[in-house]
Amino acid sequence: GEDVEQSLFLSVREGDSSVINCTYTDSSSTYLYWYKQEPGAGLQLLTYIFSNMDMKQDQRLTVLLNKKDKHLSLRIADTQTGDSAIYFCASASGGYQKVTFGIGTKLQVIP
Amino acid sequence: DVKVTQSSRYLVKRTGEKVFLECVQDMDHENMFWYRQDPGLGLRLIYFSYDVKMKEKGDIPEGYSVSREKKERFSLILESASTNQTSMYLCASTAGQGVTGELFFGEGSRLTVL
Repeated sequence: GEDVEQSLFLSVREGDSSVINCTYTDSSSTYLYWYKQEPGAGLQLLTYIFSNMDMKQDQRLTVLLNKKDKHLSLRIADTQTGDSAIYFCASASGGYQKVTFGIGTKLQVIP
Repeated sequence: DVKVTQSSRYLVKRTGEKVFLECVQDMDHENMFWYRQDPGLGLRLIYFSYDVKMKEKGDIPEGYSVSREKKERFSLILESASTNQTSMYLCASTAGQGVTGELFFGEGSRLTVL
């Protein structure tokens, strides 16, 4: 089946940039997503990128997509303690039914 | 503000009990999903429904069933709970012709089976 891989844990100092990486296997992925899960809450869409794009920027967030290597990254500039959460990479192909999630990367921001 | 509401945030049940997890969305979404979330395993799809009374198995349907009698409500049923079903259960919904396919999630129901 399809697979989305990401590392389990990332620790950064407040004010630094965070980069969370993800690789996926489905070459027919249409959309790639980053969801954020704060403690005790459900997932919330943070940003997404369409598969024919290389980059998307949204305020402090930059998403880079290398379609050839099937590699997706999320960069958070000027990371704040409020950014501490679990970040899930996800890919969708064939519509909304087939969304595959990674295991989630726990971001710890050290004051 | 869009909302997916899960009826119970925390439940404790005994092995063999029947468990109902309820989910209601107020966005008139056609599609609803049940996932379970476990550390180191991420989110795994249990069942989804793309219309009233319609259901499809996800990746891990064994031990679960679902019911969708009304468009806004999607229930997950554990006929006979077992300890390996201790987990966080997340309900989600999305519009049928959504442009981006964004999933809207509830806050989760943490089930402990003793």
